[in-house]
Amino acid sequence: DAGVTQSPTHLIKTRGQHVTLRCSPISGHKSVSWYQQVLGQGPQFIFQYYEKEERGRGNFPDRFSARQFPNYSSELNVNALLLGDSALYLCASSPTSGRYNTGELFFGEGSRLTVL
Amino acid sequence: GENVEQHPSTLSVQEGDSAVIKCTYSDSASNYFPWYKQELGKGPQLIIDIRSNVGEKKDQRIAVTLNKTAKHFSLHITETQPEDSAVYFCADPLTGTASKLTFGTGTRLQVTL
Repeated sequence: DAGVTQSPTHLIKTRGQHVTLRCSPISGHKSVSWYQQVLGQGPQFIFQYYEKEERGRGNFPDRFSARQFPNYSSELNVNALLLGDSALYLCASSPTSGRYNTGELFFGEGSRLTVL
Repeated sequence: GENVEQHPSTLSVQEGDSAVIKCTYSDSASNYFPWYKQELGKGPQLIIDIRSNVGEKKDQRIAVTLNKTAKHFSLHITETQPEDSAVYFCADPLTGTASKLTFGTGTRLQVTL
């Protein structure tokens, strides 16, 4: 079975540009979360979507947005890129959501974004 | 959980020795404590987790202990092997749901021959 797949794996952008990152969850998983991992640090929560609805948002500016499609895949969009947006963007899926979901997050290998 | 402190940041052990990584959390309501392993070029992978009603959990060479009074939980790896070399992260659920995690700063474990 395929795991969480993300695209593109690497990309380079310049300041002020826009980027779209894509994620396909494990088949049957309805929850998708996005994390930003700056080099040398732990992943930081950006968004969670479940059944196409936003279920949580981390402490990120409005330049960051996301959506989930009927097939549960997801996109993360970042506008007006800054140098500080350079990071590994990780997508994670899980079967369910909510307070009583204490299950595993399955991470993809990430999209490495470099902003010049 | 708002804040998770993780120590040490780097740890070097000889093959066969034990390794211990400790995390301290701040939210008394936290009830789920996972540990993730991240190998170079890959996403984090869950290796073990523990719920608040349990003090210790073991899975072969890996164990996690929880001290709710002191608000800390620890990862123990025994009989370390070179393939254990990776970065390890503890995590604490934001608002009580495991889909939104606050990760620690990570511990780079190096197992030398």
